Amino acid sequence: LAKTTQPISMDSYEGQEVNITCSHNNIATNDYITWYQQFPSQGPRFIIQGYKTKVTNEVASLFIPADRKSSTLSLPRVSLSDTAVYYCLVGDARRDDKIIFGKGTRLHILP
Amino acid sequence: SQTIHQWPATLVQPVGSPLSLECTVEGTSNPNLYWYRQAAGRGLQLLFYSVGIGQISSEVPQNLSASRPQDRQFILSSKKLLLSDSGFYLCAWSTHRGGDTEAFFGQGTRLTVV
Repeated sequence: LAKTTQPISMDSYEGQEVNITCSHNNIATNDYITWYQQFPSQGPRFIIQGYKTKVTNEVASLFIPADRKSSTLSLPRVSLSDTAVYYCLVGDARRDDKIIFGKGTRLHILP
Repeated sequence: SQTIHQWPATLVQPVGSPLSLECTVEGTSNPNLYWYRQAAGRGLQLLFYSVGIGQISSEVPQNLSASRPQDRQFILSSKKLLLSDSGFYLCAWSTHRGGDTEAFFGQGTRLTVV
């Protein structure tokens, strides 16, 4: 499993775009990048997943540069309800049976 | 559609008492199953995972054990609880498909050992 590094915490304001970057210098050729969101007293929820370039869904966008050594989760126009912990995971489900979560980024949205 | 059930939602147990938390998955077959623990304000710690019936891998040596008696049932147990076993326990499942995968989590059990 590739080790990931992301900021411990971030603050932003309602209506702003928030970008959370994750470093994964040792990403392997077949690894995918997955982001989860966790609210207090709930289990993590899958947000988005990608392999390269850009992926967008109704919740977020994921930007992955050509070298794939980092990725950026972009949340457009955040609201107070986006306050949560965001986890970046890197791995290959065909190779790795276990799913390891790091410490994540605690995002706090201010009014 | 797939669903995951985990119970109970909350539990208060005295030190030295036994523990049994159950998790079941519906709508899929042969899933990978996981037990995590999260202490207050901390990250998710993987405790056990299973790739099939009777196959259990332990990540952290401790006072807990896990069993998978059926394909979609995962049980977390302890013979004698310690104060340090308090925390938020989460069960999850994932598929074996391709390199891309996602994990689906239950609602969690908040265990307080007193």
